Amino acid sequence: DVKVTQSSRYLVKRTGEKVFLECVQDMDHENMFWYRQDPGLGLRLIYFSYDVKMKEKGDIPEGYSVSREKKERFSLILESASTNQTSMYLCASRTAGGQGISQPQHFGDGTRLSIL
Amino acid sequence: GNSVTQMEGPVTLSEEAFLTINCTYTATGYPSLFWYVQYPGEGLQLLLKATKADDKGSNKGFEATYRKETTSFHLEKGSVQVSDSAVYFCALNSGGSNYKLTFGKGTLLTVNP
Repeated sequence: DVKVTQSSRYLVKRTGEKVFLECVQDMDHENMFWYRQDPGLGLRLIYFSYDVKMKEKGDIPEGYSVSREKKERFSLILESASTNQTSMYLCASRTAGGQGISQPQHFGDGTRLSIL
Repeated sequence: GNSVTQMEGPVTLSEEAFLTINCTYTATGYPSLFWYVQYPGEGLQLLLKATKADDKGSNKGFEATYRKETTSFHLEKGSVQVSDSAVYFCALNSGGSNYKLTFGKGTLLTVNP
């Protein structure tokens, strides 16, 4: 089974801090994604990565950056945390092989981040 | 652009009741369709998928049929259990440059004993 591991289940940080959320997958997947999940807004894509060192903005990239130096690891960075970034953050990965769009994304358990 | 519309929740049922959660979509081309489930405090798990018209995805007693003529992918289960209480998300992938999923807003299902 695919395992996507997010480094923290719960995290509390202060306004203005630089925050790192880490995600590791064990299936050699090329594509990785960061979403945030908020009540009433569903899941929104922040950033995704095609492959190592490749990244593209999603729907709501403002205030975030990402890093993918190794294939298995995809980090989300909040450059200067603000209270409106309090949310559940979900990481996902998928293979780029096989039948393209039929390949599902596999999700981690999420990090519930609170910015005080 | 792509969009997914699923029925607003919450949905509350008694154990052994029949479940339907409606999902309709708008997409270019021939998308793949997915249902994900999120149990309390957890991430999303793939429940089932269908990749072409008239395909039926099934898993754990849940089923959904890809209906291209009505652009729908409704989730059904004949007899729900308390353990099915969760949030259910319908999603599509129509390809393009990033293979991103387009999600519906989610439907909270509560099953009472």
